[in-house]
Formats: sequence, structure tokens, C-alpha cells
Amino acid sequence: GAGVSQSPSNKVTEKGKDVELRCDPISGHTALYWYRQSLGQGLEFLIYFQGNSAPDKSGLPSDRFSAERTGGSVSTLTIQRTQQEDSAVYLCASSTRARERETQYFGPGTRLLVL
Amino acid sequence: AQSVTQLDSHVSVSEGTPVLLRCNYSSSYSPSLFWYVQHPNKGLQLLLKYTSAATLVKGINGFEAEFKKSETSFHLTKPSAHMSDAAEYFCVVTYQGGNTPLVFGKGTRLSVIA
Repeated sequence: GAGVSQSPSNKVTEKGKDVELRCDPISGHTALYWYRQSLGQGLEFLIYFQGNSAPDKSGLPSDRFSAERTGGSVSTLTIQRTQQEDSAVYLCASSTRARERETQYFGPGTRLLVL
Repeated sequence: AQSVTQLDSHVSVSEGTPVLLRCNYSSSYSPSLFWYVQHPNKGLQLLLKYTSAATLVKGINGFEAEFKKSETSFHLTKPSAHMSDAAEYFCVVTYQGGNTPLVFGKGTRLSVIA
């Protein structure tokens, strides 16, 4: 079946602009996660959604970052007033539920470059 | 805090020889442990996972890993490397009862020499 998809695959933007990154999880998966992969920091957790519960935003690096999940499916990660240090690959993952033993399936990522 | 340490940032092996990628995790009750692989410009793919069943876990592409609680280790092995195994490998941990976001190691880049 279809896996996790993300769009765009690549995004180049100018410092100070806002960007939106989209994630389509696997159908039926109730848990959705955003991670960031950068050269200096490796892979780090940003935010996760589980069903209709309030999202866990504990990994967001600043208030310029926000995310929403509409209808329990598609999610959008928004970065406002982008900075050069935001350049990274943003990965989305989904799982059947937010339990530690559930496998998370990753999308191909969005490569963001802030000039 | 949860953490996982991959002891080698880069491992190079000859094709046909064994692979060993080392991983240690911070001790906690009932961890779940995973190995993911990332090929260049590709997404993360699950190789195998340990979730408190058998301590020797077999994964895809001939990889396996053994959970050793006494050593807090979860090393990844393969008897014979193939050129297609060249990639970045991530050891990952999460803990029962904690938030389920994954905690990643820094990664080990595996090179396979012909």
C-alpha cells in the first residue's frame, strides 16, 4: 500500500520567509510525528500527534515552528521567518498508534534550504 | 534522559566480510530498540526491532541484532556484507510509558569495499 508521502521534496527559500511542509501519513495511522535531520544535530524529534489528543510540542526548537493536523490525517509543519539554521531535512513518520512498540514508518523527507 | 550511543561514526568493510555496528542505550526499564537504515537521498527504512520478546532479533536483508541487558547493548550484525548495504544506520530507542517519539543515535556510515 501507499507509504508516508511528503511534499515538496525540496524547498529553497530566502531568510525571513515562511514555509509550509506537508505530510500525508499512511491511511489509518493515528499517530504522526515530525523529525528534523541536520548535519550538526543528527535526527531530532519535533512534534507528535495522536488522534484527537493535544499534540506533544516538546521538541519544537522555537515559537517560529508550529504544526497542525487536520481531520486526523494530513499534517502541515510551518516555519515562520525562516533562518539559515533551519536548513535541514524534515521527516514525517506515522504509526498505527502512539505506543513505544509500534513501528514508525517514515516518509522521504523535505529538504529545506534557507538562503 | 533517554539516550543511545553509536560507538562508530564510520565503519568500512570489504564485500563478503562480516558487519558489526555497535550501539549502547541508557539503562531503563523495558526499552524498545530499533535499527533503521537510510540510503543516500532516501527515507528511513526499518531493519529490525526489539520489543521484549526474543533477545536475538532477525531483520531484513540478512541483518540481525542481539539485545544484551547486562551490557545495555543492541549491536547490529550481518555475516557477509554486500555492496548494497552501504548506507547510514541509526540505532533508536524508546521507552515504555514514555513519550513515544524515537530517540536516535548519531548514525554509523557503513562503507563496503569491493
